[in-house]
Amino acid sequence: KAGVTQTPRYLIKTRGQQVTLSCSPISGHRSVSWYQQTPGQGLQFLFEYFSETQRNKGNFPGRFSGRQFSNSRSEMNVSTLELGDSALYLCASSLGTGDLYEQYFGPGTRLTVT
Amino acid sequence: QKEVEQNSGPLSVPEGAIASLNCTYSDRGSQSFFWYRQYSGKSPELIMFIYSNGDKEDGRFTAQLNKASQYVSLLIRDSQPSDSATYLCAVYSSASKIIFGSGTRLSIRP
Repeated sequence: KAGVTQTPRYLIKTRGQQVTLSCSPISGHRSVSWYQQTPGQGLQFLFEYFSETQRNKGNFPGRFSGRQFSNSRSEMNVSTLELGDSALYLCASSLGTGDLYEQYFGPGTRLTVT
Repeated sequence: QKEVEQNSGPLSVPEGAIASLNCTYSDRGSQSFFWYRQYSGKSPELIMFIYSNGDKEDGRFTAQLNKASQYVSLLIRDSQPSDSATYLCAVYSSASKIIFGSGTRLSIRP
């Protein structure tokens, strides 16, 4: 079974621009969560989508948004990019939502904001 | 107090020995716990999931959970150089989201 895929793998953007990242979950998985990983803050939860609905959200500004499609694929958008948004963005998929489900990570998208 | 705390290391263990990684959490309502391994430049890889108090074994890995003490640990037996990585403890909190610790760097010396 194929794993979680993320595109693009690397991205360089300029301050003020916007960016859209894509995540395709493992086949059959209906939940997709997004995380930001930086050396200073570690892995931080952005949001979770299940059945096209946002289930939960982390403590990030409204510039960070996401959505999920009927095939469970998810996109994350960051508007008005700031230098501090440079990070590894990871998505993770799971069969369902809740504390009994394991999450499996994709390879990540490395975003650099200049 | 951080929600999930881990010693950042590095923890240096000789090859063939037992590596012991520890994690404490503050949310008493947390129900499930995960250990991920992350090699440098790679994404986290799930190695253990534990829900009930006690021990759970999978190959060379054993996770130990004590909800009363709000403590979860990971033991790696017969440590190999390929086990050198950062180990992330993660907790499914009562707020219905997974909180990660900052990770412990483990180095297995030949």
